[in-house]
Amino acid sequence: EAQVTQNPRYLITVTGKKLTVTCSQNMNHEYMSWYRQDPGLGLRQIYYSMNVEVTDKGDVPEGYKVSRKEKRNFPLILESPSPNQTSLYFCASSLSDRVYEQYFGPGTRLTVT
Amino acid sequence: GQNIDQPTEMTATEGAIVQINCTYQTSGFNGLFWYQQHAGEAPTFLSYNVLDGLEEKGRFSSFLSRSKGYSYLLLKELQMKDSASYLCAVIKAAGNKLTFGGGTRVLVKP
Repeated sequence: EAQVTQNPRYLITVTGKKLTVTCSQNMNHEYMSWYRQDPGLGLRQIYYSMNVEVTDKGDVPEGYKVSRKEKRNFPLILESPSPNQTSLYFCASSLSDRVYEQYFGPGTRLTVT
Repeated sequence: GQNIDQPTEMTATEGAIVQINCTYQTSGFNGLFWYQQHAGEAPTFLSYNVLDGLEEKGRFSSFLSRSKGYSYLLLKELQMKDSASYLCAVIKAAGNKLTFGGGTRVLVKP
């Protein structure tokens, strides 16, 4: 089944404790992206990647890191999480010539206390 | 920068038509698209407009006017399952950065 998977789905952590949210897709998509969704603010793009070893900042990259060492994986790293990073995070992927048609993962709900 | 505005919430009756408007201001534009998101679920792709005009897909249609920075999503013959949030988004011409609006929550009543 073609899909985007994220792990973990739920995470409660404390301020300053480094964490990684994994994202993997099995559709051979070149484009991958991370978003956060907050009430009243909608979906905001954190980082995106056009292909392996190519990443770019989205609208809200501060406090996040990403890497794209393999085509299928695009982990999101929070080196020192803070409470304002409490949010619902979505990973998505698409073909490079159909970036408008993103396939989203199920989401990761992160709480930072 | 990019600003995308859409109404926060709309209510309509089952079987009726609802039009969700979206206005945008962007430096560089390479298309506008719509997503549907049911509560507690991930967004799913609905439509994409890059040229002016109307794109029809079954009960859903999307319109774009590039000169006016305006789009709408038209939902016809509303069904209860259409109760969801509808997200308007644009993609910049340079690079492939996507920007979403805040979403319009549509509530369909019997």
